[in-house]
Amino acid sequence: DSGVTQTPKHLITATGQRVTLRCSPRSGDLSVYWYQQSLDQGLQFLIQYYNGEERAKGNILERFSAQQFPDLHSELNLSSLELGDSALYFCASSQELDRSPLHFGNGTRLTVT
Amino acid sequence: ELKVEQNPLFLSMQEGKNYTIYCNYSTTSDRLYWYRQDPGKSLESLFVLLSNGAVKQEGRLMASLDTKARLSTLHITAAVHDLSATYFCAPQTRYSGGGADGLTFGKGTHLIIQP
Repeated sequence: DSGVTQTPKHLITATGQRVTLRCSPRSGDLSVYWYQQSLDQGLQFLIQYYNGEERAKGNILERFSAQQFPDLHSELNLSSLELGDSALYFCASSQELDRSPLHFGNGTRLTVT
Repeated sequence: ELKVEQNPLFLSMQEGKNYTIYCNYSTTSDRLYWYRQDPGKSLESLFVLLSNGAVKQEGRLMASLDTKARLSTLHITAAVHDLSATYFCAPQTRYSGGGADGLTFGKGTHLIIQP
């Protein structure tokens, strides 16, 4: 058990809808990362937060947004969902910015129908 | 933008054999991670390689890093079925969007070890 908690485990929704994925980092970790894993694209970095502030952005669509709250949990919001957004979304956390291994949660499997 | 290439992407091998997975990356990185993922599961950290020439071993797996060649290898010795999984390498570098460093993952090597 990595200590990173993601909810929900599975999410099935229709095109055009909006969903929120939630992540609680390991105790003591200040940095949270979001990744999208799909068969064709592999593991793609989306966005990183450190202690409530956005620190790095990857291949995140404008329809997607995220934030990290004062209690350090993070939420990834996906809107105007398309079929191609179906994927496994991972959250990872680390202790220090830049210099620690990432500990991954179990992921949220999103299916858009 | 950092590009990470793993090969092979798919490997089927028999128990007892040896094999090596290669990870090439395109820009400077001073540390590299290897992760394992079982089907439908999360990613588990295997090794972190911190400097040129670093070698780490855990059981039948051994990882090495050559920062000058921008190459890391994961060697499997006398493979057993339990090692069947997908293995990812991930060099650490600055994300192209600026800001902090982070990990960029290869596409993964899907390893099947048959009895």
